[in-house]
Amino acid sequence: ETGVTQTPRHLVMGMTNKKSLKCEQHLGHNAMYWYKQSAKKPLELMFVYSLEERVENNSVPSRFSPECPNSSHLFLHLHTLQPEDSALYLCASSQTPPGGHTQYFGPGTRLTVL
Amino acid sequence: QKEVEQNSGPLSVPEGAIASLNCTYSDRGSQSFFWYRQYSGKSPELIMSIYSNGDKEDGRFTAQLNKASQYVSLLIRDSQPSDSATYLCAVNTHASGGSYIPTFGRGTSLIVHP
Repeated sequence: ETGVTQTPRHLVMGMTNKKSLKCEQHLGHNAMYWYKQSAKKPLELMFVYSLEERVENNSVPSRFSPECPNSSHLFLHLHTLQPEDSALYLCASSQTPPGGHTQYFGPGTRLTVL
Repeated sequence: QKEVEQNSGPLSVPEGAIASLNCTYSDRGSQSFFWYRQYSGKSPELIMSIYSNGDKEDGRFTAQLNKASQYVSLLIRDSQPSDSATYLCAVNTHASGGSYIPTFGRGTSLIVHP
């Protein structure tokens, strides 16, 4: 067990739905990340929060909206998604500065957009 | 766009052989380098981190870093079938605003056959 949990583990949603992914870390870290992993593509960094402030947005479409209320929790709010958004969404945490320390990944949420 | 390049493979080696995985990166300012292993259907987990030029050994694994050549490699000695997985190279790279973010390569698929 890595100390990073994600819920739900699987999610099927229609293009008009609104849903949220949740990530929680119990490691005392102060940087958190959202990644998208699609088949045959590199792990794509979507958002980085360091000390609860967003560091990187990486040109992610506005239909993805992150929220980091404290250093232990991270959310990804989803609305009006497209079928090409179907992927594995991974959350990770680390010490700061982002990228400079080992990241610990959650088990991921497998998202299917119909 | 800062890049991290890996040969996607698959790299196939017999059991007991040495597997050599390679990674090049474009950001000369990168300071932190990581190798993660990802089994099919699982999330990435850290194998090795390296921050200084030279070799770093941990059991059957050796990471090698050459900052002048912008090259980092992972050697796996006495390869076992259980080492069969995708190996991801991650490098901290400069982002806009001067901060660092992690950038992952596409990953190399390793197959160790009995």
